[in-house]
Amino acid sequence: GAVVSQHPSWVICKSGTSVKIECRSLDFQATTMFWYRQFPKQSLMLMATSNEGSKATYEQGVEKDKFLINHASLTLSTLTVTSAHPEDSSFYICSAGTASTNTIYFGEGSWLTVV
Amino acid sequence: TQLLEQSPQFLSIQEGENLTVYCNSSSVFSSLQWYRQEPGEGPVLLVTVVTGGEVKKLKRLTFQFGDARKDSSLHITAAQPGDTGLYLCAFNTGKLIFGQGTTLQVKP
Repeated sequence: GAVVSQHPSWVICKSGTSVKIECRSLDFQATTMFWYRQFPKQSLMLMATSNEGSKATYEQGVEKDKFLINHASLTLSTLTVTSAHPEDSSFYICSAGTASTNTIYFGEGSWLTVV
Repeated sequence: TQLLEQSPQFLSIQEGENLTVYCNSSSVFSSLQWYRQEPGEGPVLLVTVVTGGEVKKLKRLTFQFGDARKDSSLHITAAQPGDTGLYLCAFNTGKLIFGQGTTLQVKP
């Protein structure tokens, strides 16, 4: 079964609204989670590193005020796309790792469509 | 700047053909990973190569890590439609960074 779960799997929202995507680690604690964005037929682009109890670390070119990340517990990180626009439509994937096994697990991904 | 260059980016072949996907960089890596991703799903780890010159086999898939640990290749023998997907190489520096990806389509 999945060890990292994302919700929702897909969401449609109107331009200008905000949408939240959740990433949960199941059966393990993740002090660090990662958020990726993927456009069709393209690779995964790392957006930010989510750190439990502290601010997220954003990759160059990613607007931190637009993509709000909160990692309030050891099993949950959320990505909020604020004031969404059609160009934000994409596949968003999170991942989490366990320090003990040095293994990274990916969520199932969340399709966001902004209309 | 793309740290990992994958080629080709797109590949469409007939069932039974062989193919090779390349992952190149000017940087030296302690290890490289290969993933396969199907549409609408997260990537799945296929293999991790660690030692320069290392060759690993996974059924019809053969992975090689360059001697200088700057490049890697994935060779698929007798491709099948089930091999269709996006193949990604990646390196881990505390965060996983992916190459551009190779979209493979195997036609029956």
